[in-house]
Amino acid sequence: QVQLVESGGGVVQPGRSLRLSCAASGFTFSSYGMHWVRQAPGKGLEWVAVISYDGSSKYYADSVKGRFTISRDNSKNTLYLQMNSLRAEDTAVFYCAKEGGSGSYTGAWGQGTLVTVSS
Amino acid sequence: EIVMTQSPATLSVSPGERATLSCRASQSVSSNLAWYQQKPGQAPRLLIYGASTRATGIPARFSGSGSGTEFTLTISSLQSEDCAVYYCQQYNNWLSLTFGGGTKVEIK
Repeated sequence: QVQLVESGGGVVQPGRSLRLSCAASGFTFSSYGMHWVRQAPGKGLEWVAVISYDGSSKYYADSVKGRFTISRDNSKNTLYLQMNSLRAEDTAVFYCAKEGGSGSYTGAWGQGTLVTVSS
Repeated sequence: EIVMTQSPATLSVSPGERATLSCRASQSVSSNLAWYQQKPGQAPRLLIYGASTRATGIPARFSGSGSGTEFTLTISSLQSEDCAVYYCQQYNNWLSLTFGGGTKVEIK
């Protein structure tokens, strides 16, 4: 079955960087677009970024554009999110999610990794 | 950006009764609408995609309807395990997915 396991979260000071990873298994990773979605403590879901199946297309939410970079390594079945210039408002649980089989909805989700930006 | 608005914010329903959740889009999203269930401490789970297609393993008491800008998620007979927050999501503009603010369903 589909399994997505995020890692790389932790506590980081404002202005610093962090890289999240998402290890995928149970499906043909190189055939699906992948998303990052975040959820601030006690808040709703916010889409962050998407990358096409081959990595050729990437799109970002305005709130992270220019600071975050989504990438993937299909040889390692792994999705990444490089986060630079982190702010307190970036504090959230970050989820990676696989596109559905019949559309770009987020069909399967990992368990999430918590990023806390604090001095 | 397509804005998704959910109502009500909180819904209290007696066990076995019907729960009706609404989601409105600021512009047409055709049938490119999904619903998710999220329980405390857990990741969201896909319930419905294509506005009305149940995802694998989702009980038949969950149903979705609507198209364009108005959508509904119905839980036909509320069970205790259905207490959760429910989110709608449009994916008509796949370059920028957007979620509604969520509806919390609780047992009356």
